[in-house]
Amino acid sequence: AQSVTQLGSHVSVSEGALVLLRCNYSSSVPPYLFWYVQYPNQGLQLLLKYTSAATLVKGINGFEAEFKKSETSFHLTKPSAHMSDAAEYFCAVSAANFNKFYFGSGTKLNVKP
Amino acid sequence: DAGVTQSPTHLIKTRGQQVTLRCSPKSGHDTVSWYQQALGQGPQFIFQYYEEEERQRGNFPDRFSGHQFPNYSSELNVNALLLGDSALYLCASSLADRTTKQYFGPGTRLTVT
Repeated sequence: AQSVTQLGSHVSVSEGALVLLRCNYSSSVPPYLFWYVQYPNQGLQLLLKYTSAATLVKGINGFEAEFKKSETSFHLTKPSAHMSDAAEYFCAVSAANFNKFYFGSGTKLNVKP
Repeated sequence: DAGVTQSPTHLIKTRGQQVTLRCSPKSGHDTVSWYQQALGQGPQFIFQYYEEEERQRGNFPDRFSGHQFPNYSSELNVNALLLGDSALYLCASSLADRTTKQYFGPGTRLTVT
């Protein structure tokens, strides 16, 4: 069975500050992990994915995430927040066949000027 | 190149009615997945279609059914609508191989009154 837990439904940071969005997963098989972003009234856009290659994954818009098997975590970070980063972020896990994705409940990121 | 498109954008139905949502995948994609995203929640996997067959199914009742056409487009049908079916329904397309990512459409907002 696979599941994802996102800690913190709302995160608020100042513009220019570090962004840290937390994701912990549970998986009975080697996981494939994803971060998606959703802007209001839009679908989901893939930020980055971990598929058993390098544990530090770089994505679009300056985001990156590190896969830590010992901690079953895949936290999303960005060194310096921009106003345009305000959105909802979802962590997801899938098995190797990508046939079924399990999403967390999401974290809304607010960026203060 | 058009991405994933969904229709309609919004619709309102009454309890007990039936609804059909439509999805056209990204050009070249042969696999379509459907998700339900309730307000304040992450997307939940409903089912996936490939080669006109349901390949995987999430934990949804039989009231939820689907179809994939030879041109890879897909429909999601929901019978005997309940108030709890009110949600954003997302379609995602991908290729059947394991290395691609899902592309999400903007979704259909269904309101059941």
